[in-house]
This record gives sequence, C-alpha cells and structure tokens, in this order.
Amino acid sequence: AQTVTQSQPEMSVQEAETVTLSCTYDTSESDYYLFWYKQPPSRQMILVIRQEAYKQQNATENRFSVNFQKAAKSFSLKISDSQLGDAAMYFCAYRLYQGAQKLVFGQGTRLTINP
Amino acid sequence: NAGVMQNPRHLVRRRGQEARLRCSPMKGHSHVYWYRQLPEEGLKFMVYLQKENIIDESGMPKERFSAEFPKEGPSILRIQQVVRGDSAAYFCASSPGQGAGGELFFGEGSRLTVL
Repeated sequence: AQTVTQSQPEMSVQEAETVTLSCTYDTSESDYYLFWYKQPPSRQMILVIRQEAYKQQNATENRFSVNFQKAAKSFSLKISDSQLGDAAMYFCAYRLYQGAQKLVFGQGTRLTINP
Repeated sequence: NAGVMQNPRHLVRRRGQEARLRCSPMKGHSHVYWYRQLPEEGLKFMVYLQKENIIDESGMPKERFSAEFPKEGPSILRIQQVVRGDSAAYFCASSPGQGAGGELFFGEGSRLTVL
C-alpha cells in the first residue's frame, strides 16, 4: 500500500523568508502524481503544486517550488518570500497515474508565518 | 459556481440519528471521492464512486456507513445511528477520470457534530 509521511507537524517562518516542508512516500509503482495541497482556516482544500513522476524537472508555481527526488521517494515544498496568507495546513499527497485512483494524504504540516 | 458543491455545510445530530451528506461534482466529472478529516488530522479516504458504482470502499467503516452516486442527482454519504466519534469534517472531491492532470477538486466540506 502507498503511504505518505510528513515528519514536521509544525513549522514557522518569518515573513519574506523561505521555508521548506518535507514529504516522503512509499510506493512500488513508477508512474504517479505527487501534490501539495493547502488548507487554510476556511478548511477549503486548495491545490498548490503538482508533479508527474515521469518528469525530471521540478515543478514551480510562482513562489512555490518542489524538490522531487524519485529514487529517494522525497517530495519537498519550498515556499519563497513567505507571506501571511501562506499560513495554513499543508498536505502532501500521492496518486497513481493509471486509472482514476484515490489520493493518499500525509498527516499535514501546520505552517505559521511570523510578521 | 461550477465547483464541487457540498451540503449541508454544518449538520448537528444527536446520538442514534442519521446523517446524510450530499455532494454534487463539478460539471463533467463522473468520479466522486469521500474523505473524512478528524480535528487536527489529515484527510482519510473513505470511498470512491462512479455513477451507479462503488469502485473502492476500502476506507469505509463496515457498519453504519454507506455511499451512493445515482445516475441522476448528487452523491450521498449516509451515516446511520451516529456516535460522537463520527464528529468530523467530511470532504467530497471529484475528477473527470484518467488523463486529466490527476488532481482532485474538493468541496468546502460538511462538518458533522454529534451531540
């Protein structure tokens, strides 16, 4: 079974600085997606960034980028120039590429932004 | 609003009553997923449905819980004889199926409180 592990229950960063959230996963498959979702206090799940496992290039979305290490099964999220609105729970998630399979989530990391 | 619609947003039930949570997927999506989130925890997969079919119910408790996605109308998650431990946020997500970028689109959740 696929599992996703986020080893940092909480992280904090000063506004405008950079923070990295860690995620590891376990799978025997070779084709899959990895995601970071954000859950602000409103509880809405918002997609932050997506990575296809077959792509070697790390995904980027404005201030958000990932470090995808397929062999190490590691998928960290870097947030640059942190803003107060980035404060939220961040969930790493895995999904098989073939078929419309379920998302498997990690436990989440609560990110606090200090002004 | 063409997003995933869940209702009710908040539901209060007394122990032993029934709870029904509804989910209308995004237009054009035929795959629906239900997740449960306990306070301060991640999202746990419950069930994956396509129209008139349950594809994966590996996360669904064996008793009191059922889900359906009829040919017409929303998907419904039904919890019979609720207990206090059922208090949680229940999220519905939808996707168009394979080859569409992989992400699931989430509703805003239904928060169930059992008194």
